[in-house]
Amino acid sequence: DQQVKQNSPSLSVQEGRISILNCDYTNSMFDYFLWYKKYPAEGPTFLISISSIKDKNEDGRFTVFLNKSAKHLSLHIVPSQPGDSAVYFCAARRYSSNTGKLIFGQGTTLQVKP
Amino acid sequence: DVKVTQSSRYLVKRTGEKVFLECVQDMDHENMFWYRQDPGLGLRLIYFSYDVKMKEKGDIPEGYSVSREKKERFSLILESASTNQTSMYLCASSLPDRNYGYTFGSGTRLTVV
Repeated sequence: DQQVKQNSPSLSVQEGRISILNCDYTNSMFDYFLWYKKYPAEGPTFLISISSIKDKNEDGRFTVFLNKSAKHLSLHIVPSQPGDSAVYFCAARRYSSNTGKLIFGQGTTLQVKP
Repeated sequence: DVKVTQSSRYLVKRTGEKVFLECVQDMDHENMFWYRQDPGLGLRLIYFSYDVKMKEKGDIPEGYSVSREKKERFSLILESASTNQTSMYLCASSLPDRNYGYTFGSGTRLTVV
């Protein structure tokens, strides 16, 4: 049972344009969402997060939007840069979880072309 | 700079061998996790620990065990390695606060031949 889904395995955009990465979830008990970025041969690094009490969080070129009614979140990167080329994972945490366990999606590989 | 260190970047082991993957964190984090990453499957949780000597199964614990004798160290053990355990293994740690994300190690690429 895949509770967090990233249905697009890959995305290719031109440098300077917007990248939009999508993530859907099924468990309404999730109350905190995160995005991680992973380069080959490295561990994932934290990018941005959002609490379920918000619908938007912004950090520089990165913005995460949360639509709770649709159980959908998206990551916008504007403008996209070649250094953004990586695998992006969304993750979710359940409200009752006191162990901090995250459920990850399958990942989306973003390629930003110069 | 805070760190999660995995002892090996690349490992090649034979089928049937007992394999130990070591992870050490220097952040005094209570929680530690082992995930494996496979193409199209994302990150799947194998085991996690929220305290010394405490462990819980994740989503895919079969064929694995763990050990946490000290707070800073969390070991993943493949009791008898099989070719379907060829994967990228990622260790992570975090504080118990649920609004605190993970810090990951660089990963161990394990190949079982």
